Amino acid sequence: EVQLVQSGAEVRKPGESLKISCKASGYSFTTYWIGWVRQMPGKGLEWMGIIYPADFDARYSPSFQGQVSISVDRSINTAYLQWSSLKASDTAIYYCARHGGVEYQLLYPDYWGQGTLVSVSS
Amino acid sequence: QFVLTQSPSASASLGASVKLNCTLASGHSRYAIAWHQHQPEKGPRYLMKIDSDGSHRKGDGIPDRFSGSSSGAERSLTISNLQSEDEADYYCQTWGTGIRGVFGGGTKLTVL
Repeated sequence: EVQLVQSGAEVRKPGESLKISCKASGYSFTTYWIGWVRQMPGKGLEWMGIIYPADFDARYSPSFQGQVSISVDRSINTAYLQWSSLKASDTAIYYCARHGGVEYQLLYPDYWGQGTLVSVSS
Repeated sequence: QFVLTQSPSASASLGASVKLNCTLASGHSRYAIAWHQHQPEKGPRYLMKIDSDGSHRKGDGIPDRFSGSSSGAERSLTISNLQSEDEADYYCQTWGTGIRGVFGGGTKLTVL
């Protein structure tokens, strides 16, 4: 059974750094893209970016390029989303998602984590 | 210009059917898309992938009540025999090497 288990809720101040995690199990971690999706309060889903664990190739939405960093630790089948300097506007729920499909046609989330609430406030 | 357009809301009665549409923007009309369900207080759930020819592939455990179709630039999700637990937000999503991943704005489905 594919499972994505995310780390718990976080509260930070603006300017602080943060790294949240997503532990995958039930499939071959290196053979599927895995990425992150944001949901700001009262808003819809926004696709942030993905990484291919086999070669660490990462793709970002233009909206998130340079704002966050996606990484993986293959030894523990875990993906990360990291900020170096949080803003209040980063307050949101963040979902990790395994992506099925193929890059030349469609990559799509086929399994989702439970979400991690990140609150940024002074 | 948004790549994917969805109606903000839809409603239908318990036991009825509803069709939710997702329209691809000009220049992207042959793209495949995926549908996702997002129930309140839960993580989203992948429902199905729909190709431009209408063929679709469901996620694990998705009931037969959920089906997909395609017509031109529209990729549709039909839910038959609506249940109360179908009340949720529904998002379509696509991907392109230039656009990367993108979601539609979502449709809030109310079961009356």
